[in-house]
Order: sequence, then structure tokens, then C-alpha cells
Amino acid sequence: QLQLQESGSGLVKPSQTLSLTCAVSGGSISSGGYSWSWIRQPPGKGLEWIGYIYHSGSTYYNPSLKSRVTISVDRSKNQFSLKLSSVTAADTAVYYCAREHPTWLFDYWGQGTLVTVSS
Amino acid sequence: QSALTQPASVSGSPGQSITISCTGTSSDVGGYNYVSWYQQHPGKAPKLMIYEVSNRPSGVSNRFSGSKSGNTASLTISGLQAEDEADYYCSSYTSSSTRVFGTGTKVTVL
Repeated sequence: QLQLQESGSGLVKPSQTLSLTCAVSGGSISSGGYSWSWIRQPPGKGLEWIGYIYHSGSTYYNPSLKSRVTISVDRSKNQFSLKLSSVTAADTAVYYCAREHPTWLFDYWGQGTLVTVSS
Repeated sequence: QSALTQPASVSGSPGQSITISCTGTSSDVGGYNYVSWYQQHPGKAPKLMIYEVSNRPSGVSNRFSGSKSGNTASLTISGLQAEDEADYYCSSYTSSSTRVFGTGTKVTVL
């Protein structure tokens, strides 16, 4: 059974960079056809797609976040990462990592990790 | 990109059927049959309920069904049960190869 687990700093100061990692177990992150995504949910609000990295290494980002987001993969550690720069309070959210199936559905999710932006 | 539009809330009595709409554009919902639906209980990660407009993953009750007409997709829950009370989100592939979620709908079982 595939499992995803987010980790990283739960508190980030304004203007700094948010960094999260998603460890994948029970399967290979290099499996063909899958994409690895980040999705966030501000407290009490809806889901927002952040971006994904394809198994080939190609990346696609939400246009509203594109200038601040970087998603990368470390195949040797079977994990992928999110960096979001110049954060503000508006970036406070529960951040989820998820696997996206080749037919564009999110079939496995991490439990989510709350990141608070505050000085 | 703009979030897909869903009603903020829908309610129904046990045993009844309810339908949640998800309206987008021809660049997302209307242009592709890659609409999926997710159920989210408080404090939990979303769970896939419907994919490719109308397909159910293994283990999801057949009380959940999906459809699409033009730029609007719909999720119907029949035989409403207390455990169905949750937030529901639609999601679609877009013409820019990005993804977009709906605004979310809170389902209340009366």
C-alpha cells in the first residue's frame, strides 16, 4: 500500500521560504506515468492545487503561485519536495502531497501538515 | 485560473438524494472527461470518490454517482447517510495542463 508523509517546518517567518518534503513508501516515485503533487488548504477554506512534477521531471505550477514555487524530486530517497518563497500570512495552510494517476486523479494523499506563517 | 464553482452547502434527510454541481469552462470541465470528486471529513485528507466524470474507485459505495453536461459536472449521493456528511470538492484537468479544484460544498445530513 502506497503511503505519503509530509515533513518540514511548521512555522515560517514572513518573506522567508517554506520547505516541505513528501516521503513515499510502498512504491517507487519513479513509476512511469505518475505525477507527484502538492495541494494546500488554508484554515476553513477550500483546496488549492499548487503544482506537480511528472515522472520525467517536468513541472507544472498554478499560475498564481508560479513565480514563487519550485517542486523537485530526489529519486535516491524516494521523495519529492516543495519550496515556496517570499511567504506571507496568506500562505498559512495545511499542505498535502498526493500522487496523481495518469488519468488525472489524486489517488493517494499524505495526512497533511500545517504550516503557519508568522513572525 | 479560477476555481470551479460549487454551491457552498447542500443538505438532505437520511435516505434522500442530493446533487452537487461543479461549473467550469470549456477549458476545463467542458473540454475534458477528467473530472474527479473528493470527500473530506474534518481534519482528514480528501478521499477520491469519482474519477473520469462517472467512474467509482474500488471500495466506494454505489450510492455515489457522477455525470457531466457541457461545462457542469455533478455528483449525486443517493440514499443519504449520516456518514456522508462532509465537504466535497470537484477537480478538473485544464487546457494548460494544470489542475483546478472547485470551491467546495458542505453536505449536511438533517
